[in-house]
Amino acid sequence: QVQLVQSGAEVKKPGASVKVPCKASGYTFTTYTISWVRQAPGQGLEWMGWISPNNGNTNYAQKFQGRVTMTTDTSTSTAYMELRSLKSDDTAVYYCARDRGIAASDYWGQGTLVTVSS
Amino acid sequence: QSALTQPASVSGSPGQSITISCTGTRSDVGGYNFVSWYQQHPGKAPKLLIYDVTNRPSGVSNRFSGSKSGNTASLTISGLQAEDEADYYCSSYTSSSHWVFGGGTKLTVL
Repeated sequence: QVQLVQSGAEVKKPGASVKVPCKASGYTFTTYTISWVRQAPGQGLEWMGWISPNNGNTNYAQKFQGRVTMTTDTSTSTAYMELRSLKSDDTAVYYCARDRGIAASDYWGQGTLVTVSS
Repeated sequence: QSALTQPASVSGSPGQSITISCTGTRSDVGGYNFVSWYQQHPGKAPKLLIYDVTNRPSGVSNRFSGSKSGNTASLTISGLQAEDEADYYCSSYTSSSHWVFGGGTKLTVL
């Protein structure tokens, strides 16, 4: 069965970076793009971008350009999302998701809570 | 890219039908047939209900249906059940090749 498994919660100081892993299993990793979506406490979903494990192509939301890097390791079927220069309003649950099509993600990780606090 | 516009809340009684709207522009909802809908229960990851405006993934109840007219997409839930109480989000492809979500709608089953 398709599964996306993310790491546990992280606490970071303002200005630091976080790198969130997302390990995929149950399907051919290179066949589907992986999207990253975040959700601040009590707020809605926010699309951050996607990466193609097949060729490394990325598509980042304008808001995160220059501050986010999405990568994949096909040898371990793991996707990564690194966010730099963290601010308090980056506190959120970060989800990875498999994309079955354009703007359509059919399997989601359980989410990783990233707390940014001094 | 601004978020798509959804009503903050809707409500209905068990057995009734409700519709949630998702309004965008010609640069997103109106311009492409790439609109999806998600259900999210508290503390859980979103679940895909509808993709490409009208299509349901395998395993999703046929009580959920999607449609689009102009710049507005809609999700209809028929035969409302208690477990349908959740937050619902729409998502669309945009002319800048990015994706955008709606602000979310809280469904209350009375």
